[in-house]
Amino acid sequence: QKEVEQNSGPLSVPEGAIASLNCTYSDRGSQSFFWYRQYSGKSPELIMFIYSNGDKEDGRFTAQLNKASQYVSLLIRDSQPSDSATYLCAVSGGGYNKLIFGAGTRLAVHP
Amino acid sequence: GAVVSQHPSRVICKSGTSVKIECRSLDFQATTMFWYRQFPKQSLMLMATSNEGSKATYEQGVEKDKFLINHASLTLSTLTVTSAHPEDSSFYICSAPEGSQETQYFGPGTRLLVL
Repeated sequence: QKEVEQNSGPLSVPEGAIASLNCTYSDRGSQSFFWYRQYSGKSPELIMFIYSNGDKEDGRFTAQLNKASQYVSLLIRDSQPSDSATYLCAVSGGGYNKLIFGAGTRLAVHP
Repeated sequence: GAVVSQHPSRVICKSGTSVKIECRSLDFQATTMFWYRQFPKQSLMLMATSNEGSKATYEQGVEKDKFLINHASLTLSTLTVTSAHPEDSSFYICSAPEGSQETQYFGPGTRLLVL
């Protein structure tokens, strides 16, 4: 059973701080890794994807991938209250490019 | 990013009726689309993979006769919930992969309430 694990949270950070979200996955053959943001009552919205070991930066967001440790993370710099949402880690599980989702981490950014 | 639409956004129906949900890729073609269901405070659950020109592939535990999927064209997939019951009430979301890395983009979702 291929699994993706995330801490459910809530992760509470003050406005302006760095939020660090973590994810581990069980399938060592996974190739593609995604972070989605989901506001309450809405569908997931793609934030970033990463395929290679190391860091990938996009604005306030940085994704980090370590395939040896089967670990992927998302850093949000200068966190804003509007970043408060559930963050879903997803891993390509192969076969028609199916995604395996973690349960999500709820982030709360307080003023 | 790519745009995926769903229709309707919200539907209320009586128990025993059938409901059709449409998923469209607006600015790209998708030979594959995915259907998910999400219950309150739970993560996404993949129901099935919709394949243009062939049968859908259902995940374990998903009744193919209850959740009918038709991938009619390269931009349209439909999910029909047949003989809906209150326990089918959920948030149904489709996604479609786009680009060289086939990143999945999600539709806005359809909230189904069966009375």
